[in-house]
Amino acid sequence: AQKITQTQPGMFVQEKEAVTLDCTYDTSDPSYGLFWYKQPSSGEMIFLIYQGSYDQQNATEGRYSLNFQKARKSANLVISASQLGDSAMYFCAMREDSRSTGANSKLTFGKGITLSVRP
Amino acid sequence: EPEVTQTPSHQVTQMGQEVILRCVPISNHLYFYWYRQILGQKVEFLVSFYNNEISEKSEIFDDQFSVERPDGSNFTLKIRSTKLEDSAMYFCASTPGFQPQHFGDGTRLSIL
Repeated sequence: AQKITQTQPGMFVQEKEAVTLDCTYDTSDPSYGLFWYKQPSSGEMIFLIYQGSYDQQNATEGRYSLNFQKARKSANLVISASQLGDSAMYFCAMREDSRSTGANSKLTFGKGITLSVRP
Repeated sequence: EPEVTQTPSHQVTQMGQEVILRCVPISNHLYFYWYRQILGQKVEFLVSFYNNEISEKSEIFDDQFSVERPDGSNFTLKIRSTKLEDSAMYFCASTPGFQPQHFGDGTRLSIL
């Protein structure tokens, strides 16, 4: 089974509007972390936001927030007030923390979602 | 802000040749990783490294791959005999611990 599922093939949003990018995950590990990364056309991977499985509140970082619904195993990224520079590929990723490697655990990525911001 | 640095940004190599991709992780980080991304596909884990030894490796990381931390700053990925299917973007990442992994800008490897 896929550990991270991102099914939206491509998203379009008008500049200054908000957009939600979906991510569902699958794990039996009680301790895990969820991450969103942005990959512009230039190719680099930029960390955006992190949510721990035991965090009581949804994570926020500037215009980014994470809508974490643990029971539904979803971790959707919300971008408020979209800007043209937000056009990029967005990846959801998970780190499973209870394994013996703990802090050294790998990230498992979804397939990504392309976001295009229209002026 | 400290960055993970990767060199070269683009490497073109003949099939069968050896290639070494270099990374300088953030200086106080302890955990290091290599990932790869075949064009248009998702990012895949290759190997993690801590305390001068491999912690975990994926099925992709077979005998043609090796990693090394030759000194206190560099972290290298060697591919011994490159194949066409090794063409990809290779990312190095590092973290001090239970914190987000920070990625370098990647090395685009093209095998001819």
